Amino acid sequence: RKEVEQDPGPFNVPEGATVAFNCTYSNSASQSFFWYRQDCRKEPKLLMSVYSSGNEDGRFTAQLNRASQYISLLIRDSKLSDSATYLCVVNFPLRGNKLVFGAGTILRVKS
Amino acid sequence: NAGVTQTPKFRVLKTGQSMTLLCAQDMNHEYMYWYRQDPGMGLRLIHYSVGEGTTAKGEVPDGYNVSRLKKQNFLLGLESAAPSQTSVYFCASSHLGHRGRHGSSYNEQFFGPGTRLTVL
Repeated sequence: RKEVEQDPGPFNVPEGATVAFNCTYSNSASQSFFWYRQDCRKEPKLLMSVYSSGNEDGRFTAQLNRASQYISLLIRDSKLSDSATYLCVVNFPLRGNKLVFGAGTILRVKS
Repeated sequence: NAGVTQTPKFRVLKTGQSMTLLCAQDMNHEYMYWYRQDPGMGLRLIHYSVGEGTTAKGEVPDGYNVSRLKKQNFLLGLESAAPSQTSVYFCASSHLGHRGRHGSSYNEQFFGPGTRLTVL
């Protein structure tokens, strides 16, 4: 089993749609969770951290389910500019607290 | 602030050649990292450094060496390039992990623009 697993997609959605991605992780001791965004041929950039209580940033909502060991990202009112690859990132405390990146989920928003 | 910069942006090598990738950051970050990214796979950690003069192995260190002689620079060396090292290389830096407002420990990593390396 991969340490951090994501559906690679692509998710093809029309503008204005709501779309959700899930990500599962294998280490129950993980404490830090993030969503990064990566545009084509660019570097990853932090989109948002994921907190235990869930958190929202504008059209983006992130949630954590520790019992089932997954995190989710919900995007409301999708924009063309949301088209990118979304990377799920989890820390692994027993490996020097390093971050492990998922392979990413591709989102394509079409007009 | 330039953030994290990488040189070169592109490079083509022949098998057996050597090269050094340079990463520089101007954010006074303690931690620096080298990753490689291959199609269908997540970023994989090659080596990392928790401070000037210290380095440690990551997930896929074989065939690579690193040095951190100055806090702002982190060099990745390929002594004898192989086709399996064709990849996109990203450098990243971060502060020490610290407690966020929800009590979680985290260390946001800032990435450079990447180096696209092809080994023939």
